[in-house]
Amino acid sequence: AQKITQTQPGMFVQEKEAVTLDCTYDTSDPSYGLFWYKQPSSGEMIFLIYQGSYDQQNATEGRYSLNFQKARKSANLVISASQLGDSAMYFCAMLGAGSYQLTFGKGTKLSVIP
Amino acid sequence: DTAVSQTPKYLVTQMGNDKSIKCEQNLGHDTMYWYKQDSKKFLKIMFSYNNKELIINETVPNRFSPKSPDKAHLNLHINSLELGDSAVYFCASSPTGYTDTQYFGPGTRLTVL
Repeated sequence: AQKITQTQPGMFVQEKEAVTLDCTYDTSDPSYGLFWYKQPSSGEMIFLIYQGSYDQQNATEGRYSLNFQKARKSANLVISASQLGDSAMYFCAMLGAGSYQLTFGKGTKLSVIP
Repeated sequence: DTAVSQTPKYLVTQMGNDKSIKCEQNLGHDTMYWYKQDSKKFLKIMFSYNNKELIINETVPNRFSPKSPDKAHLNLHINSLELGDSAVYFCASSPTGYTDTQYFGPGTRLTVL
């Protein structure tokens, strides 16, 4: 069974500062993928970034980077230079190899303060 | 050029009614999904189809029935709606399934009165 834990229900960050959203996972699959999605107040689910378990480098997409520590089973999302539009719910999710279902964490609500 | 679309966006209905939510993707993906997001924002898989074949059927009441007429469409029909069915339902698609990114539709907010 797979499990995703996001321990921060809510976080605040000052505009233009960097912020780290925590995600730990548990799986017995040797191969898996880790994802982050953003859900703004408008409700849609927006894919942000993907990290494969065998990827040697941490994934980056613009202002988003994934701090992947395999031994610690953590996949934290780092948002640099926060913007007001980054205020949203952020979900960490996992997909095991051979599995079709994403397992989601409970999410972290990020609020960016001007 | 919407990638994954759902209709309707909002659905308000009475208990006991039957309703359908439609989903279409124009990404050429093989796999489609239905997820349910409850009032606490928790997302859980309901169903998944790969090339029109049902591959995931989680513990969902049999009042919920997915139908995939072709690879680009996955509809969700709900019979005898109950108050507890109120939620946001998301359709998603991915190229295949294995560690592929899933792209979500805009969601359908279902309210059962």
